[in-house]
Amino acid sequence: NAGVTQTPKFRVLKTGQSMTLLCAQDMNHEYMYWYRQDPGMGLRLIHYSVGEGTTAKGEVPDGYNVSRLKKQNFLLGLESAAPSQTSVYFCASRRTGTSNTGELFFGEGSRLTVL
Amino acid sequence: KQEVTQIPAALSVPEGENLVLNCSFTDSAIYNLQWFRQDPGKGLTSLLLIQSSQREQTSGRLNASLDKSSGRSTLYIAASQPGDSATYLCAGVDMDSNYQLIWGAGTKLIIKP
Repeated sequence: NAGVTQTPKFRVLKTGQSMTLLCAQDMNHEYMYWYRQDPGMGLRLIHYSVGEGTTAKGEVPDGYNVSRLKKQNFLLGLESAAPSQTSVYFCASRRTGTSNTGELFFGEGSRLTVL
Repeated sequence: KQEVTQIPAALSVPEGENLVLNCSFTDSAIYNLQWFRQDPGKGLTSLLLIQSSQREQTSGRLNASLDKSSGRSTLYIAASQPGDSATYLCAGVDMDSNYQLIWGAGTKLIIKP
């Protein structure tokens, strides 16, 4: 019973490098989210998807791109990493936006450091 | 714009006490509300989900209530234990923002042995 799986769990990048974080869920959920969590800032939504092939911007989308080519996967890309993107990134999924059973499930997080 | 506030920001109590964490929102257009706990360096674990048609949910020593009319949700923890020490976050699904989740900043709870 994997739930939501994020890879990698840790990564150190140099400024200007690119990378992709992968989120995979095995619960057939429609909605998927990428958040970042910084000390004193709480959770901030980067991008989200309401279904396969769809993506939308959240609160802090600049510097990130996402893709949802398959329903079970939601990728978060950093094209040119900056120190301000040092953070812990969380992926989450839920069944639908309005379902009464729309419980949100989280991955364990990916800790990214940009030097 | 919907905002979610959690009070207190931090709480330290002796083991065995019953305690209440508060979550308030500015707009009654909350569809459902979910409580999470987060341990240091870990992800978020769902504790309770109060659906739009419900007023409360219980799981073991935890009880969460939702009063949309007053814009409040409470998480009651009975007979607290040191293992309950964590940060507790609430999140509401906001009907007025395309059913997006609106997060509180969390309450850091410390249970002293």
